[in-house]
Amino acid sequence: DIQMTQSPSSLSASVGDRVTITCRASQGISNYLAWYQQKPGKVPKLLIYAASTLQSGVPSRFSGSGSGTDFSLTISSLQPEDVATYYCQQYNNGPWTFGQGTKVEIK
Amino acid sequence: QLQLQESGPGLVKPSETLSLTCTVSGGSISSSNYYWGWIRQPPGKGLEWIGSFFYSGNTYYNPSLKSRVTISVDTSKNQFSLKLVSMTAADTAVYYCARQGRASGHWFDYWGQGTLVTVSS
Repeated sequence: DIQMTQSPSSLSASVGDRVTITCRASQGISNYLAWYQQKPGKVPKLLIYAASTLQSGVPSRFSGSGSGTDFSLTISSLQPEDVATYYCQQYNNGPWTFGQGTKVEIK
Repeated sequence: QLQLQESGPGLVKPSETLSLTCTVSGGSISSSNYYWGWIRQPPGKGLEWIGSFFYSGNTYYNPSLKSRVTISVDTSKNQFSLKLVSMTAADTAVYYCARQGRASGHWFDYWGQGTLVTVSS
């Protein structure tokens, strides 16, 4: 199985800050990576697929980058509604696997 | 608008079998463009893919659960189901059904609301 490791596990930042979450795959996955946002008590929501393509309706302050084994999700200006846990998911090889999550809070 | 809705018991006894159904509306599970899958999330923990199927009958399971899982489909009702046998406390989780891309990429773009399943005697 391909292991997905996210860092940090949690972070606290101020409104308006630039926030970056990283996701590392245990082997190369090209750009077959998705990012999800899960707000407290809610369903995961697809934010980004193919490492950098924004899902329809997702605010442009979210962006993704990377290829191979190293990926990142950036929130350019953190907003209160961005408080959530973020997960990466690889879909290069089955079984499809998720990172352990990064919890984002407002300072 | 595509919607998915899980249904099934919220409480299962240890060693028993979990049966969940996902009803899809606003789209067809017979679409050639998508897989349909199950994902679970233990309380306070991360996401684990359980398995997926393609309407033609192909199914794909997480090897960690493969010996205990069966996914089946009822195209006439636009539903698909999950069966997980020999349940233990470690299977306590919120279970989600979701649509998964096929040719374009295997991300999950539509999710059900999830149903909490607790394993307890």
